[in-house]
Amino acid sequence: AQRVTQPEKLLSVFKGAPVELKCNYSYSGSPELFWYVQYSRQRLQLLLRHISRESIKGFTADLNKGETSFHLKKPFAQEEDSAMYYCVPLISNFGNEKLTFGTGTRLTIIP
Amino acid sequence: KAGVTQTPRYLIKTRGQQVTLSCSPISGHRSVSWYQQTPGQGLQFLFEYFSETQRNKGNFPGRFSGRQFSNSRSEMNVSTLELGDSALYLCASSLGLGYTFGSGTRLTVV
Repeated sequence: AQRVTQPEKLLSVFKGAPVELKCNYSYSGSPELFWYVQYSRQRLQLLLRHISRESIKGFTADLNKGETSFHLKKPFAQEEDSAMYYCVPLISNFGNEKLTFGTGTRLTIIP
Repeated sequence: KAGVTQTPRYLIKTRGQQVTLSCSPISGHRSVSWYQQTPGQGLQFLFEYFSETQRNKGNFPGRFSGRQFSNSRSEMNVSTLELGDSALYLCASSLGLGYTFGSGTRLTVV
């Protein structure tokens, strides 16, 4: 079945420690992958796109096609990183496309 | 540049009623998608419109419908409301480089 899996629903990390939010996908073809973040009382917003290979707010994510993973990493966690994070594939099918959200991971940074 | 605007922000309706939610996309964005967010089910795709045509539809009953106007503004309608329809309804628009979400409309059905 085509799906994305974020194995940790909750993740707590101490401030200054490294963060890794896991994401594994099982889709045929090569879906475009995003990380979206939702801070408390704010709208859902795009954090990273895999094709951009960029670093936003210190976060990076590498697409590993062999392991079908797209883990989100940051070397030193900050308190403002506490939020809900979603690994989201964009599924395209003959021009029709949709974001398919998983259950997400709630990251809490402990001061 | 203005973001995605959803109106109203909050809505309380009674079971059996119908409701219409509105979404104004970012200027120039022709794709508009709708999502339902609940604590139990998370974010679920409702439908996507592009140039006034529904291109994609999620697994929701026919009580959920939508449309898009020539200016790309979109509305979604839920008829015969049920208690389980209480949720945050999110709209997102896209120009093909990623989706930008609105703040949502929080619908409470009593």
